[in-house]
Amino acid sequence: NAGVTQTPKFQVLKTGQSMTLQCAQDMNHNSMYWYRQDPGMGLRLIYYSASEGTTDKGEVPNGYNVSRLNKREFSLRLESAAPSQTSVYFCASSAESYLPLHFGNGTRLTVT
Amino acid sequence: SQQGEEDPQALSIQEGENATMNCSYKTSINNLQWYRQNSGRGLVHLILIRSNEREKHSGRLRVTLDTSKKSSSLLITASRAADTASYFCATDAGSGNTGKLIFGQGTTLQVKP
Repeated sequence: NAGVTQTPKFQVLKTGQSMTLQCAQDMNHNSMYWYRQDPGMGLRLIYYSASEGTTDKGEVPNGYNVSRLNKREFSLRLESAAPSQTSVYFCASSAESYLPLHFGNGTRLTVT
Repeated sequence: SQQGEEDPQALSIQEGENATMNCSYKTSINNLQWYRQNSGRGLVHLILIRSNEREKHSGRLRVTLDTSKKSSSLLITASRAADTASYFCATDAGSGNTGKLIFGQGTTLQVKP
């Protein structure tokens, strides 16, 4: 049982490049989330999907788009990367939106 | 903006001692959760306490919640070197159980063997 799997683990981009961060969960959870973690800032919610077919903005959605591809997969896309998007990105899921989150191990993204 | 503020930012203790971390928040909540993060890893859920609960235990963990003061504390008793990690509180910001958790900045705990 892998839980929440994120790919890639590490990525370096140049300013203006695009990329998609992948996330998949095998726990049949309804809700999925994308957070970013910056030093001294804790975790901030980028986007979330309460259930398959729905997505909503979190605290810091600018510069990102998401796709809930199916119940298992929730991807995060950076259309034109900026140095301010250098961060560690975490995907999480929960059985229902009011239950505890299960996190992946993160994607460490550097934008130069 | 951060809902949860944690105190202290860093804590260093000897193995066997107790560790207490505090979390304060600003708006009404449905529940408050504590998570642990080991270096280079994702967060792991420790305990959830609902707004109508005052205290909850799980193994060596004890969490209290004071909604009148908008604060919570996490006590780890008889700490072990393996407890070395960052600890985060998270609240649901009272927005109808949407699951939109807001995390504090965390307390970094070092337990020396």
